[in-house]
Amino acid sequence: QSVLTQPPSVSGAPGQRVTISCTGTSSNIGTIYNVHWYQHLPGRAPKLLIYDNTNRPSGVPDRFSGSRSGTSASLAITGLQAEDEADYYCQCFDTSLSGSVFGGGTKLTVL
Amino acid sequence: EVHLAESGGGLVQPGGSLRVSCAASGFTFGDFWMTWVRQAPGKGLEWVATINQDGSEKKYVDSVKGRFTISRDFAKNSLYLQMNSLRVEDTAVFYCARVRGTFFSDYWGQGTLVTVSS
Repeated sequence: QSVLTQPPSVSGAPGQRVTISCTGTSSNIGTIYNVHWYQHLPGRAPKLLIYDNTNRPSGVPDRFSGSRSGTSASLAITGLQAEDEADYYCQCFDTSLSGSVFGGGTKLTVL
Repeated sequence: EVHLAESGGGLVQPGGSLRVSCAASGFTFGDFWMTWVRQAPGKGLEWVATINQDGSEKKYVDSVKGRFTISRDFAKNSLYLQMNSLRVEDTAVFYCARVRGTFFSDYWGQGTLVTVSS
């Protein structure tokens, strides 16, 4: 069981908006440490989507956005495209474990 | 261009040892923390170990403490993970990644598969 909790799956039709939640505790998301999000396609290297809660690396479309409040964070994807079908992971530093922790991952299906 | 390339994966028996490597290029290797993350078959990403710029600080997930050792070679621009006393549950694709700021990873390698089986 992962330290950060994500829904196992979400789905949406092309063009729609979906959100993926990431719930943590006072030892990780509830601290000063920021939340980051990755996109992972099978057999590929994970790709950084959002860092420090809300920032997009160069090249990531503005259809992807992140937010954080209290001990939770969310990734929103608008204007869904078929190429967005992938696994998505949240990540944060955990002060109790003195290391990084990932969410269990959420599989996004574009209907 | 930043490039990370893992190697050294393979089949090893339970209780055995293996060292996986990560060759880094396209950036000043000694300026960054580096990390190993793994993904077991059908499972999610799991952080394994992280090392700071000069190798003086190392962090490990509890399940590998005392068995795995992360290290780096500045002359070879390489990151290593020495894995001893391997268990079946260590079977995974191991990724190396560059660490930035608040412990996020901006560049990842393609991964190397380690299979622990008799």
